[in-house]
Amino acid sequence: GAGVSQSPSNKVTEKGKDVELRCDPISGHTALYWYRQSLGQGLEFLIYFQGNSAPDKSGLPSDRFSAERTGGSVSTLTIQRTQQEDSAVYLCASSLGSASGSPYNEQFFGPGTRLTVL
Amino acid sequence: EDQVTQSPEALRLQEGESSSLNCSYTVSGLRGLFWYRQDPGKGPEFLFTLYSAGEEKEKERLKATLTKKESFLHITAPKPEDSATYLCAVHSIYNQGGKLIFGQGTELSVKP
Repeated sequence: GAGVSQSPSNKVTEKGKDVELRCDPISGHTALYWYRQSLGQGLEFLIYFQGNSAPDKSGLPSDRFSAERTGGSVSTLTIQRTQQEDSAVYLCASSLGSASGSPYNEQFFGPGTRLTVL
Repeated sequence: EDQVTQSPEALRLQEGESSSLNCSYTVSGLRGLFWYRQDPGKGPEFLFTLYSAGEEKEKERLKATLTKKESFLHITAPKPEDSATYLCAVHSIYNQGGKLIFGQGTELSVKP
């Protein structure tokens, strides 16, 4: 079946502009995650959605970052007033979550969106 | 604070030269340890999950093992197509969600 998809694959923007990144999880996966991977850095957790529960936003680096998940499926990560330090690859992952009987299961990643802020 | 450290940062092998990658972790309570492979320009690809000390899992030329403090990814007779960055991540029992803590990765290069 189809894996996690993300769009756009690349995004170049100017400092101060807002950007939206999209993630389509694997069908049937109730859990969705956003991570950020900066050059030379490990993957950094940003936010986690599980079904209709309140999201875990503990990893968002500032209030310029927000995310929503509509209808329990597609998610959008929005970065307002982008800064150069926001340049990174933004990765989305999904897992079966509570649909499997356990929230602690394998996460499957999309190809990422490479964001460059000039 | 939960932490994952991988070593070495980079490893160069000749085809057929077996070796191991290390993942040392400090976590309040381990729910699971995950290994991923990441090719340039792509997202991480899931390899293994290990849940308890002593557990081992194998897939082709790869075998992952787990102790209470570290995990090893053993690569037997590697081929050039095994070249990639290998990522280790842990999930703490005190994190009710699915947040993974990742190490920095080991970049593996296998030359023919």
